[in-house]
Amino acid sequence: DIQMTQSPSSVSASVGDRVTITCRASQGISRWSAWYQQKPGKAPKLLIYAASSLQSGVPSRFSGSGTGTDFTLTISSLQADDFATYYCQQANTFPWTFGQGTRVEMK
Amino acid sequence: QLQLQESGPGLVKPSETLSLTCSVSIDSISGSNDYWGWIRQSPGKGLEWIGSVYYNGNTYYNQSLKSRVTISVDTSKNQFSLKLSSVTAADTAMYYCTRRLTSSGVFDCWGQGALVTVSS
Repeated sequence: DIQMTQSPSSVSASVGDRVTITCRASQGISRWSAWYQQKPGKAPKLLIYAASSLQSGVPSRFSGSGTGTDFTLTISSLQADDFATYYCQQANTFPWTFGQGTRVEMK
Repeated sequence: QLQLQESGPGLVKPSETLSLTCSVSIDSISGSNDYWGWIRQSPGKGLEWIGSVYYNGNTYYNQSLKSRVTISVDTSKNQFSLKLSSVTAADTAMYYCTRRLTSSGVFDCWGQGALVTVSS
């Protein structure tokens, strides 16, 4: 199985900060990756697919980049609604696997 | 707008079978080119893909659970179901039903989740 390793596991930030989360795949997955946001008690919500495509309805402050094994989720200016846990996922090879999550906390 | 809703018992005894059903709000599952399936989330293992089913009944399972999992679809009821046999405490988790897009391989729609506890 392809392992997805996220870093950091948590980040403390303030409203307005730029936040970057990285995800490394254990083998190359081209651009077959996605990012999800999960708030407590809620299901994950798709933010980014195909490494950099913004899901409909997702604010443009979210962006994704990367190819191969290294991927990045960036929140350009953190808003109060963005404090949550973020997960990456590889969509290249069955079985589909997720990173362990990065918690974005208020500083 | 597509909505998914899980239903089923919240408590299952060890060694018994966990059964959940997902009701899909669109007109017809059989009109969709995408996959329907299940993901679970537990504190110890994070998000784990369990398996998926196509409208024609073709299934794909995570090898780690394959011997215990059955996912089926009922197009007449616009539902699909999960059965996980011989459960243990390690199967205690939030279970989500999902749609996986064929085009991008990502999970664009999730149910609200069903918490299943395995305990005697």
